[in-house]
Amino acid sequence: NAGVTQTPKFQVLKTGQSMTLQCAQDMNHEYMSWYRQDPGMGLRLIHYSVGAGITDQGEVPNGYNVSRSTTEDFPLRLLSAAPSQTSVYFCASSYSGGRGGSTQYFGPGTRLTVL
Amino acid sequence: GQQVMQIPQYQHVQEGEDFTTYCNSSTTLSNIQWYKQRPGGHPVFLIQLVKSGEVKKQKRLTFQFGEAKKNSSLHITATQTTDVGTYFCAGPPTGTASKLTFGTGTRLQVTL
Repeated sequence: NAGVTQTPKFQVLKTGQSMTLQCAQDMNHEYMSWYRQDPGMGLRLIHYSVGAGITDQGEVPNGYNVSRSTTEDFPLRLLSAAPSQTSVYFCASSYSGGRGGSTQYFGPGTRLTVL
Repeated sequence: GQQVMQIPQYQHVQEGEDFTTYCNSSTTLSNIQWYKQRPGGHPVFLIQLVKSGEVKKQKRLTFQFGEAKKNSSLHITATQTTDVGTYFCAGPPTGTASKLTFGTGTRLQVTL
């Protein structure tokens, strides 16, 4: 099993550009989520999904869109990149959300810089 | 919204010294999870505690979940250089199945 994969590993964007961060998992997990990590801020939840076709907002959803058409994939779209979105983005998956057995498996991250 | 704070934010110890990080939530948690992130890496799951007052050990690491299920601690005995990294606690509020809020993290530096 590859676990959770993310592409690209690094990305530089100009302000106003759009892009999609890819995330895929091969563990048949129901729950997937996107976090951003900024120095001193820990991991902040952007969006999450409890299953195919179901998504919801996390703590910092503005400027990001998600969709979940399959169990395996959970892409994160930046609509119009801003310098404030410079961060490290992690995708994670688990069998279930906050219930027992909810170990989060993280991908390797995407390091995004917006100029 | 739910807030999860960790103290200290940073600690530098000499190898062999003990280390403790504390996690405090503004709301009651249904469980508490701990993760370790090595420099340049991604968070890796360490353990989950579910019951009030629960204590679990993993070799030199001792994890505790508070009686009120709003706080937790991680204690490392006799630190080693391999313990270097940032330690995060995380937990979903009671009654919320899906949202996992992470703490602010404690960065541990260990020198010889």
